[in-house]
Amino acid sequence: QVQLVQSGAEVKKPGASVKVSCKASGYTFITYYMHWVRQAPGQGLEWMGIINPSGGGTSYAQKFQGRVTLTRDTSTTTVYMEVSSLRFEDTAVYYCARSSGGGYYGMDVWGQGTTVTVSS
Amino acid sequence: DIQMTQSPSSLSASIRDRVTITCRANQSITTYLNWYQQKPGKAPKLLIYAASSLQSGVPSRFSGSGSGTVFTLTISSLQPEDFATYFCLQTYTTPYTFGQGSKLEIK
Repeated sequence: QVQLVQSGAEVKKPGASVKVSCKASGYTFITYYMHWVRQAPGQGLEWMGIINPSGGGTSYAQKFQGRVTLTRDTSTTTVYMEVSSLRFEDTAVYYCARSSGGGYYGMDVWGQGTTVTVSS
Repeated sequence: DIQMTQSPSSLSASIRDRVTITCRANQSITTYLNWYQQKPGKAPKLLIYAASSLQSGVPSRFSGSGSGTVFTLTISSLQPEDFATYFCLQTYTTPYTFGQGSKLEIK
C-alpha cells in the first residue's frame, strides 16, 4: 500500500541542525511531488516547501529560505528535510506529504509526523 | 503571500446537523483549494481537492464549493467521527498557505 514513513523524534539544542527522512513506498516515487508541512504545539499548519523527486527541483516558503534544505535519494525513494540554526520556535511536528502535479489535486498521502523539540 | 481566512474558528454542533465552514482568500485562487480534516495527534486527511472534488474514500456527506476568493466546506449530516479540526489550503501559488483552522466540537 502507498505509505510515507518518517524518521523518529528528535531533541536538539538551539543552533544545531536536524535532518528528517521520509521514505516512500507503494507507488512510483518520481511521479509525485513531496511537500513538507509543520505544526507547532497547539497551532495550525504551515507549508514549508516542495521538492520534485524527478529532477530534484525545490521551492521554499520565504520564511524558510536559506535555513531549510530538501533533498531526495531516488535509489532509496527517500526525501530528506534539513533545518539548520534551530530555534526554540522550530519545535513542532513535521510532516511530509505527496501530491500529484504540485498541489491542485491535494496532498493525498501523509507521513505519520516527526516531532522535533528544540530545547537547551 | 496569499492570506486564507477561515470562519468560524470554532463551532459546536449536534449529530445529524448540517455544518458549513468558509474560507476566504485575499486574491483569486480560481479553484486551487483543498480541504483537510485533522484529529488530535494525527496527520491531516485530504477531503476535497480542486474546491469541489471529493477525494476517493471520503463519505459523500462532505462537499465543497466555490471559486475565486470564497469557498465552503459542508458536512450534510454530522457523524460522531466528524468532530475534528478542518483546514483549507490554497495551492494556486507558492508559498502555499493554510487557513487557521476550524475546530468542530460536539454540542
